[in-house]
Amino acid sequence: GESVGLHLPTLSVQEGDNSIINCAYSNSASDYFIWYKQESGKGPQFIIDIRSNMDKRQGQRVTVLLNKTVKHLSLQIAATQPGDSAVYFCAENTVGNQFYFGTGTSLTVIP
Amino acid sequence: SAVISQKPSRDICQRGTSLTIQCQVDSQVTMMFWYRQQPGQSLTLIATANQGSEATYESGFVIDKFPISRPNLTFSTLTVSNMSPEDSSIYLCSAGPGGTEETQYFGPGTRLLVL
Repeated sequence: GESVGLHLPTLSVQEGDNSIINCAYSNSASDYFIWYKQESGKGPQFIIDIRSNMDKRQGQRVTVLLNKTVKHLSLQIAATQPGDSAVYFCAENTVGNQFYFGTGTSLTVIP
Repeated sequence: SAVISQKPSRDICQRGTSLTIQCQVDSQVTMMFWYRQQPGQSLTLIATANQGSEATYESGFVIDKFPISRPNLTFSTLTVSNMSPEDSSIYLCSAGPGGTEETQYFGPGTRLLVL
């Protein structure tokens, strides 16, 4: 499958600070991306998505940025809370509706 | 969003045996998928479960080892056959309404330990 990788495998932030999680993808033809949050012992939970015709999308406390020129995706979490501690994955959509996942970043929020 | 359940939630199995994992979606969906997640690792797509036809397997996965059924638009099973300790993993089912650029939702996963 396609290669979708993350720059930082672990990230620790102070509660209340903003978090930025990065992701690089390799398939320039990918046209849809999702960020998932996975808490321990649970399945991945949808956070936010973005289509390739956009470069920014905002949700509640989260923003996804897409830079197609350098094939880079980022997830920004505002005012990070202890409940945000989890592993975050980016996923890349290819033809046939398959999603390929990055390696994941473990976010730890320090109270 | 689709709500997805899986059974069993976890199991401990003996080498050489087989386990069938069930995935139930609360609404009809076009696409269903099976993933494997090794402890501390990312998700690897095993196959696409196609309703009414044979599953489509990713490189490195074969039907004899991971037979999949998809009898209708809300249900699928994955069997892990002739298990070895290397099959110990989390197996996740996902579903989406279909078409490109459509969100996929995940079940809680089945935690499998093979002794």
